[in-house]
Amino acid sequence: DGGITQSPKYLFRKEGQNVTLSCEQNLNHDAMYWYRQDPGQGLRLIYYSQIVNDFQKGDIAEGYSVSREKKESFPLTVTSAQKNPTAFYLCASSIGDRAYNEQFFGPGTRLTVL
Amino acid sequence: GQNIDQPTEMTATEGAIVQINCTYQTSGFNGLFWYQQHAGEAPTFLSYNVLDGLEEKGRFSSFLSRSKGYSYLLLKELQMKDSASYLCAVTDSNYQLIWGAGTKLIIKP
Repeated sequence: DGGITQSPKYLFRKEGQNVTLSCEQNLNHDAMYWYRQDPGQGLRLIYYSQIVNDFQKGDIAEGYSVSREKKESFPLTVTSAQKNPTAFYLCASSIGDRAYNEQFFGPGTRLTVL
Repeated sequence: GQNIDQPTEMTATEGAIVQINCTYQTSGFNGLFWYQQHAGEAPTFLSYNVLDGLEEKGRFSSFLSRSKGYSYLLLKELQMKDSASYLCAVTDSNYQLIWGAGTKLIIKP
């Protein structure tokens, strides 16, 4: 079955540590996205990638980094520079970046920084 | 600034009809999406509107008025499994999705 996987589902880290969240898709989609979801707020775009080896900052990129070395994979690193990293992180992909292209989401990773 | 407004929470009765409204102010408009998100899970696509009017898909319908910056999602014959958050999102002139905070729908027996 095609889809998007994120691992792990729950992640705990100590303050000051970098952590990498995994996102893999086998939908053959070109575009991939990382969002952050906080209670009472809409999804906020962290980074997105329209093609392999290229990515752009979203609205809240500070303290995060990404790579897109393979079409299937778009890992997100939450660095120690991110001031409030505890959140629900969602990865998504779409066939392209056209306005009508729906985004398919992974199950999410809930990150808690202690 | 860009803004999407939805009610925070709504309550409805099983078997009834509920309308969830969404108003938007964005830099340009290239379409509006509705997604459903159960607690702790991923959002799933419900509908996409780019032209004015009503799009019907089974028990769910979505309406758009571009001149009013307004959309609604209509859910008929409500079932307990429809208890979820409903997210409105607009594609702006840069083809970026702007998301509303979502409406939590509570269904009571």
